[in-house]
Amino acid sequence: AQSVSQHNHHVILSEAASLELGCNYSYGGTVNLFWYVQYPGQHLQLLLKYFSGDPLVKGIKGFEAEFIKSKFSFNLRKPSVQWSDTAEYFCAVNAIWGGKLIFGQGTELSVKP
Amino acid sequence: DTAVSQTPKYLVTQMGNDKSIKCEQNLGHDTMYWYKQDSKKFLKIMFSYNNKELIINETVPNRFSPKSPDKAHLNLHINSLELGDSAVYFCASSHRPTSGASTDTQYFGPGTRLTVL
Repeated sequence: AQSVSQHNHHVILSEAASLELGCNYSYGGTVNLFWYVQYPGQHLQLLLKYFSGDPLVKGIKGFEAEFIKSKFSFNLRKPSVQWSDTAEYFCAVNAIWGGKLIFGQGTELSVKP
Repeated sequence: DTAVSQTPKYLVTQMGNDKSIKCEQNLGHDTMYWYKQDSKKFLKIMFSYNNKELIINETVPNRFSPKSPDKAHLNLHINSLELGDSAVYFCASSHRPTSGASTDTQYFGPGTRLTVL
């Protein structure tokens, strides 16, 4: 069955700490990969996406993610977090031809000032 | 210049009532989706329409009926509301790929928080 698993339910960091959020997927075929962010009380916004090419993708606000096909992983990283990064982060996958997104369960990130 | 908009933003209603949520996108996309986010923030696809045609219909009670009058609008009608329907409902839209080589990104609306009392 298609599934996405995010390793951490809740991550608490101090400002300037480095961030890595894990994401693994199970999908029978070539996929597109996404990270979305949901700030408190707001809608989902796209952070970054991977369709093909360079497996290291850069997104908005200094975020990046690396697709490792052999590990079925798409981990999100940021070298130095800010208080404003406090939000819920969702990893998602869909088939290469598009269609429904399969979401992970989300990781809540709390950054202490 | 809102890209994907939903109305209402909040909806509080009694069990047994019938309600509708509306979604509109001005991105020129031809595919629209409804997702449900439960109290644990888990997001799951409900429906998808492409050019007014239903293309994804997940296991959803038939009390939920989507309607797409045109490719820029996708509404969700819910009959006989139950307590378990309380959630945040997100509309999204994207282009539908024709070549199969790639896909376009889904853009989400602000969500409608439905509370059933």
